Amino acid sequence: KAGVTQTPRYLIKTRGQQVTLSCSPISGHRSVSWYQQTPGQGLQFLFEYFSETQRNKGNFPGRFSGRQFSNSRSEMNVSTLELGDSALYLCASRYQGAGTDTQYFGPGTRLTVL
Amino acid sequence: AQRVTQPEKLLSVFKGAPVELKCNYSYSGSPELFWYVQYSRQRLQLLLRHISRESIKGFTADLNKGETSFHLKKPFAQEEDSAMYYCAPFNGANSKLTFGKGITLSVRP
Repeated sequence: KAGVTQTPRYLIKTRGQQVTLSCSPISGHRSVSWYQQTPGQGLQFLFEYFSETQRNKGNFPGRFSGRQFSNSRSEMNVSTLELGDSALYLCASRYQGAGTDTQYFGPGTRLTVL
Repeated sequence: AQRVTQPEKLLSVFKGAPVELKCNYSYSGSPELFWYVQYSRQRLQLLLRHISRESIKGFTADLNKGETSFHLKKPFAQEEDSAMYYCAPFNGANSKLTFGKGITLSVRP
């Protein structure tokens, strides 16, 4: 099976703009989670989507939002960008089966806010 | 509050030396525990999980509930083990992996 894919891989934006990141999970996986990775804070959970519904949410402001489509692909949107939003954004595809519950990560989208 | 502590940022050893990467956690309930690894210029990938009790690439990890630790060990390090390692408890109820800050393992020839 193909792994988790994320597009674009790199983005440069300026303060105040908005950005949309995309994630395609592994075929058959219905849950997608998003994480932010920064040198200072490490890896932090943003939110999870399952069957087109946000199922869980981390401690991020409302400027961070997402959605999931019927084919399980997910998008994450950040509005009114701030310098501190510069980070690697990782998407994870979750598989839940008999005796297993595992997340598989994409390569990430590197967002730079100038 | 849920917390994961990886007390060291860097561990540098010679090839063939034993390795122990420490992880302590403070967590409500009974989380499932994972170790993830990130090799240079590669994506974050699952190394092992405590439930499966398996050995992957020679690494093992024992869950000690009394000490709330989940240390990662390998008896003989190889150069290809050089990478960033993250300990991560998982809460299935809120779908959240809580990552430690990570430790860089450097294995010298």
